[in-house]
Amino acid sequence: QSALTQPASVSGSPGQSITISCTGTSSDVGGYNYVSWYQQHPGKAPKLMIYDVSNRPSGVSNRFSGSKSGNTASLTISGLQAEDEADYYCSSYTSSSTPMVFGGGTKLTVL
Amino acid sequence: QVQLQESGPGLVKPSQTLSLTCTVSGGSISSGGYYWSWIRQHPGKGLEWIGYIYYSGSTYYNPSLKSRVTISVDTSKNQFSLKLSSVTAADTAVYYCARATAIFGVVIPGVRWFDPWGQGTLVTVSS
Repeated sequence: QSALTQPASVSGSPGQSITISCTGTSSDVGGYNYVSWYQQHPGKAPKLMIYDVSNRPSGVSNRFSGSKSGNTASLTISGLQAEDEADYYCSSYTSSSTPMVFGGGTKLTVL
Repeated sequence: QVQLQESGPGLVKPSQTLSLTCTVSGGSISSGGYYWSWIRQHPGKGLEWIGYIYYSGSTYYNPSLKSRVTISVDTSKNQFSLKLSSVTAADTAVYYCARATAIFGVVIPGVRWFDPWGQGTLVTVSS
């Protein structure tokens, strides 16, 4: 099962908004509303930021939002802050040979 | 609040079996609705799902690792474990355990999201 496709890196200045895409197929992202997003700072465990495409867990800033169009899911971070600099991974349920798949990860740099 | 903690050797010799345990606190591993999962991350790389187990013992593995992986659960100790056999240097990674919220009503059992995660443990395969 191929990983979901994410850009290797994105960057933005403090206060700006950025969007990270996560492209899959109709067997995963496009077929189910089970996309989640994780933030990982260096040396730390991943942290759930978005689940079921667009839902935020309690305690996650409302600057983080998720959406989906067709086979592509997106994570948008508004009002960028220095602390947002991290790696971000998407994940989706898939009806193919393996029941879940991760994206390759995107490194966010806050300029 | 549920917390997970990995434990096990940080160094394993090639061809041997990697064994890790995840201890769950703040909640029961026998509570339904969750798959108890193992995920790994090679140095400087992305996340790779290894497999997960339901408290009843049902397991699901990544096909690429299936021949070498065994995940088991001990509800009396509120723990679940990972065994990966015939390891090579390519198995050097940080290994995470995580709780995954299950999806019901689909042909292939799956998960909606992983939360919480353990802090991770680095396992190095080297002689």
